[in-house]
Amino acid sequence: EAQVTQNPRYLITVTGKKLTVTCSQNMNHEYMSWYRQDPGLGLRQIYYSMNVEVTDKGDVPEGYKVSRKEKRNFPLILESPSPNQTSLYFCASSARTAAYQPQHFGDGTRLSIL
Amino acid sequence: QQPVQSPQAVILREGEDAVINCSSSKALYSVHWYRQKHGEAPVFLMILLKGGEQKGHEKISASFNEKKQQSSLYLTASQLSYSGTYFCGTDLNDYKLSFGAGTTVTVRA
Repeated sequence: EAQVTQNPRYLITVTGKKLTVTCSQNMNHEYMSWYRQDPGLGLRQIYYSMNVEVTDKGDVPEGYKVSRKEKRNFPLILESPSPNQTSLYFCASSARTAAYQPQHFGDGTRLSIL
Repeated sequence: QQPVQSPQAVILREGEDAVINCSSSKALYSVHWYRQKHGEAPVFLMILLKGGEQKGHEKISASFNEKKQQSSLYLTASQLSYSGTYFCGTDLNDYKLSFGAGTTVTVRA
């Protein structure tokens, strides 16, 4: 089954403790991205990747890092999480650039930073 | 650079129609529409590319007005299953995708 898998689904942690949210897709998609969703603000793009070893900032990249060492994986790293990063996070992938292809979203990861 | 969606919320009875608008201050290359049910991931509805074409998905269709940098989503003869939050995503041909704040649609029997 074609899917985007995120882990963990839920995480409660404390300020400053490094964490990684993993994202994996099995559709051989080139384009992957991370979004955060906050009430009243919709989905905001954090980072995106055009292909392996090619990443770039979205609209809200501060406090986040990403890497794309393999085509299928696109982890989101919070080196020193803060409470304002408490949010619902979605990973998404598409066959090519965002302009042409529908985004396939993972089920989401709810992060709470205390 | 987030597009502006309107209205923020709409309540419908089954069978009624609604229009959701999405506007950008920048020249758009494509517009995406997604629907998200409570507690679920957004699900793709359709993409409209520069060129002004209208697309459809069941009784949900959309248009793209390049001159106004605006897209509209039309919900026709709404069904209970149409309830959810609708997001437009805009692409400026810069590889990013910016989403609006969403429009919550509630369809009542």
